Amino acid sequence: QSVLTQPPSVSAAPGQKVTISCSGSTSNIGNNYVSWYQQLPGTAPKLLIYDNNNRHSGIPDRFSGSKSGTSATLGITGLQTGDEADYYCGTSDSSLNIMVFGGGTKLTVL
Amino acid sequence: EVQLVESGGGLVQPGGSLKLSCAASGFTFRGSTMHWVRQAPGKGLEWVGRIRSKVNGYATTYDASVKGRFTVSRDDSKNTAYLHMISLKTEDTAVYYCSRSRDGYNDWYFDLWGRGTLVTVSS
Repeated sequence: QSVLTQPPSVSAAPGQKVTISCSGSTSNIGNNYVSWYQQLPGTAPKLLIYDNNNRHSGIPDRFSGSKSGTSATLGITGLQTGDEADYYCGTSDSSLNIMVFGGGTKLTVL
Repeated sequence: EVQLVESGGGLVQPGGSLKLSCAASGFTFRGSTMHWVRQAPGKGLEWVGRIRSKVNGYATTYDASVKGRFTVSRDDSKNTAYLHMISLKTEDTAVYYCSRSRDGYNDWYFDLWGRGTLVTVSS
């Protein structure tokens, strides 16, 4: 059971847009920055978004992040088959001084 | 090339110990906070622990699931971070990733990851 809640899976057609939600609490998302990671099959995770809405170097502007209250959202537009991957949100927990991740969301591009 | 390379994984019996290494290159290692993140087969990411830089007193923090059993350390002269694991349990079986965060206002996002090393705890 992960501290942050993500939908297990989402899907959309090529060229379409998808959003992935990440829900937490005041001790984590509510008072800290959120980051997002992409994990392609069989590879290590890769940073997409940091500080809620900043794209990491080299990440196309098809990827965006936002945060409101105790929830965060990753948006991906112009879906490509190469975007099929697991996506994880992460943030720190102020009270425990640790990092927490969501359970991950598997994106399928139909 | 900017990279992290883990090593030291393998098969170990329950109750045993193992020490993982993470060799860094291509960036200023001493100015970075180093983390370990694991992923059990078919499961999600789980943060294990971190060690901050010398400027931040080499402070360490651990997840409750490993506290008292795992120790993160570093040798800045060798540009290497370590994860020493004792009293291993079958549930510690996972790919262990080394990752980096930058010292600064927010050192809780990981902008560089290694490829990981597999630890299997089994009799």
